[in-house]
Amino acid sequence: GAVVSQHPSWVICKSGTSVKIECRSLDFQATTMFWYRQFPKQSLMLMATSNEGSKATYEQGVEKDKFLINHASLTLSTLTVTSAHPEDSSFYICSAFAPSGRFEQYFGPGTRLTVT
Amino acid sequence: GENVEQHPSTLSVQEGDSAVIKCTYSDSASNYFPWYKQELGKRPQLIIDIRSNVGEKKDQRIAVTLNKTAKHFSLHITETQPEDSAVYFCAASIQAAGNKLTFGGGTRVLVKP
Repeated sequence: GAVVSQHPSWVICKSGTSVKIECRSLDFQATTMFWYRQFPKQSLMLMATSNEGSKATYEQGVEKDKFLINHASLTLSTLTVTSAHPEDSSFYICSAFAPSGRFEQYFGPGTRLTVT
Repeated sequence: GENVEQHPSTLSVQEGDSAVIKCTYSDSASNYFPWYKQELGKRPQLIIDIRSNVGEKKDQRIAVTLNKTAKHFSLHITETQPEDSAVYFCAASIQAAGNKLTFGGGTRVLVKP
């Protein structure tokens, strides 16, 4: 089956610093990846769609200058949370979509970000 | 944009009983409806999905039904077991619109032994 990894699995950073999260498709090429944020006891909220070789598409209300997304290759997308604040503390999950005739998205294991 | 509502938010059932979770969606163009199970701190796991050209799909103890006219779909879990305890999310997407998933609010299911 298709495998998506994320790194790191958890990170603690100080307020004002930046944090980069990596999302990799390990055994398939992903032209499109998605980034979600999930607060405790809440649902997954789509932040942005990451397309290889082009700019990411952000959902309404998501600050593109704060959440920088780079999809530099068909197997790697990165999310950088810039000038992090405590309210950015959340569970960040990526997913990858492989257009192989299937509708399914493959989720990464998530990254727990805590900003102190 | 698409809006997905999910009910109930919590569900407690006795082991062996059935559990039913219902979702409604707003965009009639949605054509893919997956259901995910998420355990605490883990990634969502796809448990079953249905496409708009199918009215019902079953996989062992899990079944999903879709009513396109009413724009609602349901998850049915029969013979529940304690390991079914988790949070379940429904979602909807449009294949021709980038496959973005819109999630329901989630249902916390507790199966009491």
